[in-house]
Amino acid sequence: DAGITQSPRHKVTETGTPVTLRCHQTENHRYMYWYRQDPGHGLRLIHYSYGVKDTDKGEVSDGYSVSRSKTEDFLLTLESATSSQTSVYFCATASSQGSTNEKLFFGSGTQLSVL
Amino acid sequence: TQLLEQSPQFLSIQEGENLTVYCNSSSVFSSLQWYRQEPGEGPVLLVTVVTGGEVKKLKRLTFQFGDARKDSSLHITAAQTGDTGLYLCAGDDTGTASKLTFGTGTRLQVTL
Repeated sequence: DAGITQSPRHKVTETGTPVTLRCHQTENHRYMYWYRQDPGHGLRLIHYSYGVKDTDKGEVSDGYSVSRSKTEDFLLTLESATSSQTSVYFCATASSQGSTNEKLFFGSGTQLSVL
Repeated sequence: TQLLEQSPQFLSIQEGENLTVYCNSSSVFSSLQWYRQEPGEGPVLLVTVVTGGEVKKLKRLTFQFGDARKDSSLHITAAQTGDTGLYLCAGDDTGTASKLTFGTGTRLQVTL
């Protein structure tokens, strides 16, 4: 399994404060993804990266930004957290992007609560 | 955005029973994946099916992709407590993981 570490694992913050979640991988995978998981919605893609400094928006990108300055790190930033961003956030990586060969490796998640 | 409906949402059974979980859509997918997620962890890929009508077996788990590639099923034979978890299907219609659509999941609890 890919070595994917998410930090922090749990965070409680207040509305309006900036929050940064970190995803670190040791597998040298090119592709990295940020998802959020909410009851009744499954996993929804926020942003993804297809290389260093190459990122693109996903399905639910409003209110989020990302950065990838190194292959191993993918940061997700909530510029001004809102209660609707309370969720469990998962980072995932993949070595390739072809669907028949694709295998997404997920981190253990970050539980974020915005009060 | 394509929708993937999973049923049932919740399933509680006793060890040794058989069960089937369904994943349905009105859209056609080029491939479909099944993941299992345990509490406090991220999803783990179980299988990928790519051909209409394809059947794949993983020990006691049998996965089938519909002939029209719009639906899939997961059948577990003689369930064990270790099968407990959230089962997610994910469909892809573009050949890229960035376009994966995840279902809402089926939460399975297997008790002794």
